Amino acid sequence: DAGVTQSPTHLIKTRGQQVTLRCSPKSGHDTVSWYQQALGQGPQFIFQYYEEEERQRGNFPDRFSGHQFPNYSSELNVNALLLGDSALYLCASSLGQWGDYEQYFGPGTRLTVT
Amino acid sequence: AQTVTQSQPEMSVQEAETVTLSCTYDTSESDYYLFWYKQPPSRQMILVIRQEAYKQQNATENRFSVNFQKAAKSFSLKISDSQLGDAAMYFCAFNTGTASKLTFGTGTRLQVTL
Repeated sequence: DAGVTQSPTHLIKTRGQQVTLRCSPKSGHDTVSWYQQALGQGPQFIFQYYEEEERQRGNFPDRFSGHQFPNYSSELNVNALLLGDSALYLCASSLGQWGDYEQYFGPGTRLTVT
Repeated sequence: AQTVTQSQPEMSVQEAETVTLSCTYDTSESDYYLFWYKQPPSRQMILVIRQEAYKQQNATENRFSVNFQKAAKSFSLKISDSQLGDAAMYFCAFNTGTASKLTFGTGTRLQVTL
């Protein structure tokens, strides 16, 4: 049973560019959440997708957007990249959007903005 | 606002000894869940243990146990018989019954020495 997978593993972009990160949830999971983890910090919630709609959003600007596909996989898009967007981006999946469902994390995508 | 505070940036324990990691949280919700996650250098966030706020009994998972003090809003993790493989960043996290988004603390780096 495959767990949560993310691609790519590492990514280097230039300020002002756009980036797309991808996540495939654990088999049977229908909810995907994205987190940003800056170096030395705890993860910060970006947003959550359930039934192909954004259900919850953290305190992130509109430059951060996402999408969920019918097969429950998800993309995170970041436009007009800033140096401060350099971070580890974690995807987590769960069976349902409520708090009593365990979230399983992927290995993350390390984004470096130069 | 919901917050999670980990006041110990780093902790060290000798192999086979016991160590306790501290965590406090703040919320006005009555239905919530508390978690300890482990993040080794591989970056994969792994769930160590989970506590439902409505349960008075402290959760245990093999060598890992928690001391949940609801009135004090305290949720500490005890690791018994520490092993070299326990070395990692440990994050305390919280969510509510109606929203699975996790709020994380800043983490505690645990070193295990021989």
